[in-house]
Amino acid sequence: AQKITQTQPGMFVQEKEAVTLDCTYDTSDQSYGLFWYKQPSSGEMIFLIYQGSYDEQNATEGRYSLNFQKARKSANLVISASQLGDSAMYFCAMRTSQGGSEKLVFGKGTKLTVNP
Amino acid sequence: GAGVSQSPRYKVTKRGQDVALRCDPISGHVSLYWYRQALGQGPEFLTYFNYEAQQDKSGLPNDRFSAERPEGSISTLTIQRTEQRDSAMYRCASSLGTRRQSSGNTIYFGEGSWLTVV
Repeated sequence: AQKITQTQPGMFVQEKEAVTLDCTYDTSDQSYGLFWYKQPSSGEMIFLIYQGSYDEQNATEGRYSLNFQKARKSANLVISASQLGDSAMYFCAMRTSQGGSEKLVFGKGTKLTVNP
Repeated sequence: GAGVSQSPRYKVTKRGQDVALRCDPISGHVSLYWYRQALGQGPEFLTYFNYEAQQDKSGLPNDRFSAERPEGSISTLTIQRTEQRDSAMYRCASSLGTRRQSSGNTIYFGEGSWLTVV
Protein backbone atom coordinates (compact mmCIF):
# COMPACT_ATOMS: atom_id res chain seq x y z
CA ALA A 1 0.00 0.00 0.00
CA GLN A 2 1.15 3.52 -0.74
CA LYS A 3 2.04 5.60 2.29
CA ILE A 4 3.56 9.01 3.00
CA THR A 5 5.22 9.72 6.34
CA GLN A 6 5.96 13.19 7.64
CA THR A 7 7.60 12.76 11.03
CA GLN A 8 7.75 16.43 12.04
CA PRO A 9 4.39 17.69 13.33
CA GLY A 10 5.89 21.15 13.81
CA MET A 11 9.04 23.00 12.82
CA PHE A 12 10.43 26.41 13.73
CA VAL A 13 12.92 28.45 11.73
CA GLN A 14 14.37 31.94 11.95
CA GLU A 15 13.58 34.33 9.15
CA LYS A 16 16.18 34.20 6.34
CA GLU A 17 17.45 30.77 7.37
CA ALA A 18 16.95 27.54 5.44
CA VAL A 19 14.72 24.72 6.67
CA THR A 20 14.22 21.11 5.62
CA LEU A 21 10.86 19.37 5.92
CA ASP A 22 11.09 15.58 5.91
CA CYS A 23 9.03 13.21 3.82
CA THR A 24 9.44 9.46 3.29
CA TYR A 25 7.25 7.30 1.13
CA ASP A 26 6.43 3.67 0.61
CA THR A 27 5.36 2.23 -2.72
CA SER A 28 5.99 -0.78 -4.90
CA ASP A 29 5.25 1.21 -8.07
CA GLN A 30 8.07 1.94 -10.48
CA SER A 31 6.46 5.11 -11.76
CA TYR A 32 5.19 7.71 -9.35
CA GLY A 33 5.25 11.41 -8.68
CA LEU A 34 5.95 13.34 -5.51
CA PHE A 35 4.40 16.69 -4.67
CA TRP A 36 4.68 19.30 -1.97
CA TYR A 37 1.76 21.58 -1.18
CA LYS A 38 1.53 24.58 1.13
CA GLN A 39 -1.63 25.23 3.11
CA PRO A 40 -1.72 28.65 4.80
CA SER A 41 -4.24 29.46 7.48
CA SER A 42 -6.66 30.64 4.79
CA GLY A 43 -7.08 26.99 3.79
CA GLU A 44 -5.92 27.04 0.17
CA MET A 45 -3.84 24.13 -1.10
CA ILE A 46 -0.99 25.68 -3.06
CA PHE A 47 1.21 23.56 -5.32
CA LEU A 48 4.93 24.14 -4.66
CA ILE A 49 7.09 21.57 -6.40
CA TYR A 50 7.00 18.24 -8.21
CA GLN A 51 9.49 15.35 -8.61
CA GLY A 52 8.95 12.43 -10.93
CA SER A 53 10.35 9.04 -9.98
CA TYR A 54 12.41 8.91 -13.18
CA ASP A 55 13.74 12.44 -12.90
CA GLU A 56 17.48 12.25 -12.37
CA GLN A 57 17.89 15.79 -11.12
CA ASN A 58 16.37 17.23 -8.00
CA ALA A 59 13.49 19.61 -8.71
CA THR A 60 13.87 23.30 -7.91
CA GLU A 61 11.31 26.12 -7.99
CA GLY A 62 12.65 29.43 -6.77
CA ARG A 63 13.36 29.13 -3.05
CA TYR A 64 12.02 25.59 -2.97
CA SER A 65 14.04 22.52 -3.77
CA LEU A 66 13.29 18.86 -3.37
CA ASN A 67 16.02 16.58 -2.05
CA PHE A 68 15.05 13.33 -3.76
CA GLN A 69 16.83 10.19 -2.59
CA LYS A 70 15.15 7.33 -4.40
CA ALA A 71 17.01 4.48 -2.73
CA ARG A 72 16.04 5.81 0.68
CA LYS A 73 12.52 6.67 -0.54
CA SER A 74 12.74 10.19 0.75
CA ALA A 75 11.63 13.48 -0.80
CA ASN A 76 12.51 16.26 1.60
CA LEU A 77 11.51 19.85 0.89
CA VAL A 78 14.15 22.51 1.41
CA ILE A 79 13.06 26.12 1.75
CA SER A 80 15.92 28.60 1.51
CA ALA A 81 15.89 32.11 2.94
CA SER A 82 12.68 31.62 4.92
CA GLN A 83 10.15 34.42 4.96
CA LEU A 84 7.38 35.18 7.43
CA GLY A 85 4.87 34.31 4.73
CA ASP A 86 6.22 30.76 4.62
CA SER A 87 4.47 30.01 7.92
CA ALA A 88 1.90 27.37 7.00
CA MET A 89 1.13 23.65 6.92
CA TYR A 90 3.16 21.73 4.37
CA PHE A 91 1.96 18.45 2.89
CA CYS A 92 3.96 15.87 1.02
CA ALA A 93 1.97 13.72 -1.40
CA MET A 94 2.56 10.87 -3.83
CA ARG A 95 0.64 10.26 -7.02
CA THR A 96 0.11 6.70 -8.08
CA SER A 97 -1.64 5.30 -11.13
CA GLN A 98 -3.02 1.80 -10.95
CA GLY A 99 -5.80 -0.07 -12.67
CA GLY A 100 -7.24 2.96 -14.39
CA SER A 101 -7.26 4.99 -11.20
CA GLU A 102 -5.06 7.84 -10.22
CA LYS A 103 -4.83 9.39 -6.80
CA LEU A 104 -2.71 11.45 -4.45
CA VAL A 105 -1.82 10.00 -1.07
CA PHE A 106 -0.98 12.66 1.50
CA GLY A 107 1.08 12.73 4.65
CA LYS A 108 -0.22 14.26 7.87
CA GLY A 109 1.63 17.48 7.28
CA THR A 110 4.23 19.63 9.03
CA LYS A 111 3.34 22.99 10.53
CA LEU A 112 6.14 25.45 9.82
CA THR A 113 6.51 28.61 11.87
CA VAL A 114 8.94 31.30 10.71
CA ASN A 115 10.09 33.55 13.53
CA PRO A 116 11.17 37.16 12.93
CA GLY B 1 -11.53 29.36 -15.73
CA ALA B 2 -8.16 30.26 -14.35
CA GLY B 3 -8.35 27.86 -11.44
CA VAL B 4 -10.46 25.13 -9.92
CA SER B 5 -13.68 26.70 -8.69
CA GLN B 6 -15.84 25.22 -5.94
CA SER B 7 -19.21 26.21 -4.57
CA PRO B 8 -20.53 26.85 -2.07
CA ARG B 9 -17.47 27.90 -0.12
CA TYR B 10 -19.34 27.46 3.15
CA LYS B 11 -22.38 25.35 3.84
CA VAL B 12 -24.18 24.81 7.12
CA THR B 13 -26.88 22.17 6.99
CA LYS B 14 -29.07 20.33 9.41
CA ARG B 15 -28.51 16.68 10.12
CA GLY B 16 -30.52 14.54 7.74
CA GLN B 17 -30.53 17.02 4.86
CA ASP B 18 -28.95 16.33 1.50
CA VAL B 19 -26.06 18.49 0.29
CA ALA B 20 -24.60 19.00 -3.19
CA LEU B 21 -21.12 20.42 -3.66
CA ARG B 22 -20.04 21.65 -7.06
CA CYS B 23 -16.64 21.66 -8.74
CA ASP B 24 -15.67 23.43 -11.95
CA PRO B 25 -12.18 22.20 -12.97
CA ILE B 26 -9.56 24.06 -14.94
CA SER B 27 -10.57 24.22 -18.59
CA GLY B 28 -9.19 21.28 -20.54
CA HIS B 29 -8.38 19.19 -17.50
CA VAL B 30 -9.41 15.61 -18.02
CA SER B 31 -8.77 14.25 -14.54
CA LEU B 32 -10.89 15.33 -11.59
CA TYR B 33 -10.56 14.30 -7.96
CA TRP B 34 -12.55 14.78 -4.78
CA TYR B 35 -10.86 14.81 -1.40
CA ARG B 36 -12.03 15.34 2.16
CA GLN B 37 -9.91 17.07 4.77
CA ALA B 38 -10.63 17.15 8.48
CA LEU B 39 -9.09 19.85 10.67
CA GLY B 40 -5.42 19.18 11.32
CA GLN B 41 -5.24 16.28 8.88
CA GLY B 42 -4.05 15.74 5.34
CA PRO B 43 -6.61 15.37 2.54
CA GLU B 44 -8.14 11.93 2.06
CA PHE B 45 -9.05 10.59 -1.37
CA LEU B 46 -12.72 10.13 -2.13
CA THR B 47 -13.13 9.56 -5.87
CA TYR B 48 -11.51 10.05 -9.28
CA PHE B 49 -12.92 10.83 -12.74
CA ASN B 50 -11.27 10.48 -16.11
CA TYR B 51 -13.46 12.60 -18.39
CA GLU B 52 -17.00 11.57 -17.41
CA ALA B 53 -16.03 8.09 -16.24
CA GLN B 54 -15.77 7.53 -12.51
CA GLN B 55 -12.68 5.32 -12.46
CA ASP B 56 -12.29 4.99 -8.74
CA LYS B 57 -14.76 5.54 -5.92
CA SER B 58 -12.97 3.46 -3.36
CA GLY B 59 -12.57 6.39 -0.99
CA LEU B 60 -16.26 7.22 -0.65
CA PRO B 61 -17.07 6.42 3.00
CA ASN B 62 -20.48 4.85 2.43
CA ASP B 63 -23.43 4.81 0.07
CA ARG B 64 -24.67 8.19 1.26
CA PHE B 65 -21.84 9.70 -0.77
CA SER B 66 -21.99 9.86 -4.55
CA ALA B 67 -20.37 11.88 -7.31
CA GLU B 68 -20.98 12.51 -10.96
CA ARG B 69 -19.39 14.32 -13.87
CA PRO B 70 -21.93 13.81 -16.66
CA GLU B 71 -20.29 15.86 -19.41
CA GLY B 72 -16.69 15.43 -18.41
CA SER B 73 -16.37 18.92 -16.99
CA ILE B 74 -18.31 20.11 -13.92
CA SER B 75 -18.67 17.58 -11.12
CA THR B 76 -21.07 17.32 -8.20
CA LEU B 77 -20.42 15.53 -4.93
CA THR B 78 -23.68 14.68 -3.16
CA ILE B 79 -24.06 13.66 0.45
CA GLN B 80 -27.45 12.29 1.38
CA ARG B 81 -28.92 12.28 4.89
CA THR B 82 -25.97 14.22 6.28
CA GLU B 83 -24.53 13.33 9.67
CA GLN B 84 -22.37 15.41 12.00
CA ARG B 85 -19.35 13.26 11.20
CA ASP B 86 -19.59 14.47 7.59
CA SER B 87 -18.45 17.95 8.71
CA ALA B 88 -15.16 18.68 6.94
CA MET B 89 -13.54 20.58 4.08
CA TYR B 90 -14.34 18.97 0.74
CA ARG B 91 -11.74 19.67 -1.92
CA CYS B 92 -11.85 19.23 -5.63
CA ALA B 93 -8.73 19.00 -7.78
CA SER B 94 -7.98 18.63 -11.47
CA SER B 95 -5.11 17.83 -13.78
CA LEU B 96 -4.42 17.45 -17.48
CA GLY B 97 -4.52 13.71 -17.07
CA THR B 98 -1.77 12.81 -19.48
CA ARG B 99 -1.40 9.56 -17.55
CA ARG B 100 2.28 10.16 -17.40
CA GLN B 101 4.31 11.08 -14.39
CA SER B 102 5.52 14.49 -15.49
CA SER B 103 5.66 17.97 -14.13
CA GLY B 104 3.10 18.98 -16.75
CA ASN B 105 0.54 16.81 -15.02
CA THR B 106 0.42 18.82 -11.84
CA ILE B 107 -2.70 18.46 -9.73
CA TYR B 108 -4.33 21.75 -8.77
CA PHE B 109 -6.76 22.15 -5.93
CA GLY B 110 -9.75 24.39 -5.50
CA GLU B 111 -10.32 26.48 -2.40
CA GLY B 112 -12.65 23.85 -0.98
CA SER B 113 -16.14 23.76 0.42
CA TRP B 114 -16.47 23.88 4.19
CA LEU B 115 -19.38 21.71 5.29
CA THR B 116 -20.80 21.94 8.80
CA VAL B 117 -23.61 19.61 9.80
CA VAL B 118 -25.51 20.74 12.88
